[in-house]
Amino acid sequence: NAGVTQTPKFQVLKTGQSMTLQCAQDMNHEYMSWYRQDPGMGLRLIHYSVGAGITDQGEVPNGYNVSRSTTEDFPLRLLSAAPSQTSVYFCASLRGTRSMNTEAFFGQGTRLTVV
Amino acid sequence: QQQVKQSPQSLIVQKGGISIINCAYENTAFDYFPWYQQFPGKGPALLIAIRPDVSEKKEGRFTISFNKSAKQFSLHIMDSQPGDSATYFCAASRPSNTGKLIFGQGTTLQVKP
Repeated sequence: NAGVTQTPKFQVLKTGQSMTLQCAQDMNHEYMSWYRQDPGMGLRLIHYSVGAGITDQGEVPNGYNVSRSTTEDFPLRLLSAAPSQTSVYFCASLRGTRSMNTEAFFGQGTRLTVV
Repeated sequence: QQQVKQSPQSLIVQKGGISIINCAYENTAFDYFPWYQQFPGKGPALLIAIRPDVSEKKEGRFTISFNKSAKQFSLHIMDSQPGDSATYFCAASRPSNTGKLIFGQGTTLQVKP
């Protein structure tokens, strides 16, 4: 059981480049989220999805796009990379219902450096 | 604004001691309060969680204490072990926002042998 798989694990981008961070889950979870982790800031929610075709913004959505065409996949797109987007990115899927949160399962993370 | 505030930022405890990490929240609509544990190079993993209908939940050496009136909750690690050395995050969410966990800033715990 793979759980949540993120690719790539490491990436270096030049300022202005675009790229897509991939996230796939095999647990048939309805809910998926993207977070960025920065020292002293904890995990901040970028975007989340409550099901295929439905996404919404989190705390820090600027500079990022998401889509959810299938239950399994939730890619995160950086439109024009900036040094401020240097961070560790985590994808999570959640087992829960619309009225009750339960456990979030996280991927191993993508360490992104923008130079 | 920071909806969930966590302290301390770092903590050093001797083996066998008690580690205590505190969190405070602002939104009274929050009804789910999990703690996550993260080892270096790994993603966070659920450690223990509580809902506001109880004041305490214990799982092994880990206990959550919840004070609804003060809008605070804390993680207690009894008999702390070097293997507990990790970063701990508290979080909170509302029932209408499944998938939208709001995390605290994190606490780096070091347990010295």
